[in-house]
Amino acid sequence: DAKTTQPNSMESNEEEPVHLPCNHSTISGTDYIHWYRQLPSQGPEYVIHGLTSNVNNRMASLAIAEDRKSSTLILHRATLRDAAVYYCILRDVKGAQKLVFGQGTRLTINP
Amino acid sequence: GAGVSQSPSNKVTEKGKDVELRCDPISGHTALYWYRQSLGQGLEFLIYFQGNSAPDKSGLPSDRFSAERTGGSVSTLTIQRTQQEDSAVYLCASSFQGLRREETQYFGPGTRLLVL
Repeated sequence: DAKTTQPNSMESNEEEPVHLPCNHSTISGTDYIHWYRQLPSQGPEYVIHGLTSNVNNRMASLAIAEDRKSSTLILHRATLRDAAVYYCILRDVKGAQKLVFGQGTRLTINP
Repeated sequence: GAGVSQSPSNKVTEKGKDVELRCDPISGHTALYWYRQSLGQGLEFLIYFQGNSAPDKSGLPSDRFSAERTGGSVSTLTIQRTQQEDSAVYLCASSFQGLRREETQYFGPGTRLLVL
C-alpha cells in the first residue's frame, strides 16, 4: 500500500471546524483514500472514504485534491468527543485486504 | 445490532505461559482480521480470514502465534510461550465480505495483554 504522511498532532477548539491534512504523493489510480479514527481506549472506527470526488457523511467530509496527491478530512464542528488519533490509509483495489496504519494525527479539542 | 466483541478485556500472564484471545465478529460478516497495537510498533496487521479461503498469515510475527476460525464465525488467537514483547492490545475486526477494498472494517474494543 502507498505511504501517507500526516502531522503528528493538531489542536482545535470545540465547535470550530477542523481540517486534518494527509499527503499521499505516490497514490495510484486505483487507491481508495480511507480515514479511520481511534478514540482513547477503543478500537479504530471508520470515518469516511473516497476515490476521486469529495465525499460527505454524517461524521465528516473528505476533500480530495484534483491530482489526488493529498486529501483533507473536515470535521465541521468539533466536539470534545472528536478527540482521537486520525489515520489516513490508502487501499489498493489490487492489494491485500489488511489496513496499513501509519502514526496518524493526534487531535486535541480544547473546551 | 451487536458489534465486534472480544474477550477477555484484559489478560495478565506470566512469561512462558500460553494465552487464548477470543473474537466474536458481527453476525453475517465473512471476513475477520486480527491486529495488534503496541507502544513501539503502532497498529499492525496479524492475520486475515475470508470465508473458506486459506487465511493470510503474513503478519504473524513468529510461529508462537496462531489463529483459527471455527464455523466461519468465532476466532481464537493463540500465543504460545508468551514473551514480554507480546504485551500489547490485540484488536479484532470484521467486514461483510472482505473482497472489496472500499469495504469498511469494524473493530472490537480489544484485549489488553500484559506479560510479566
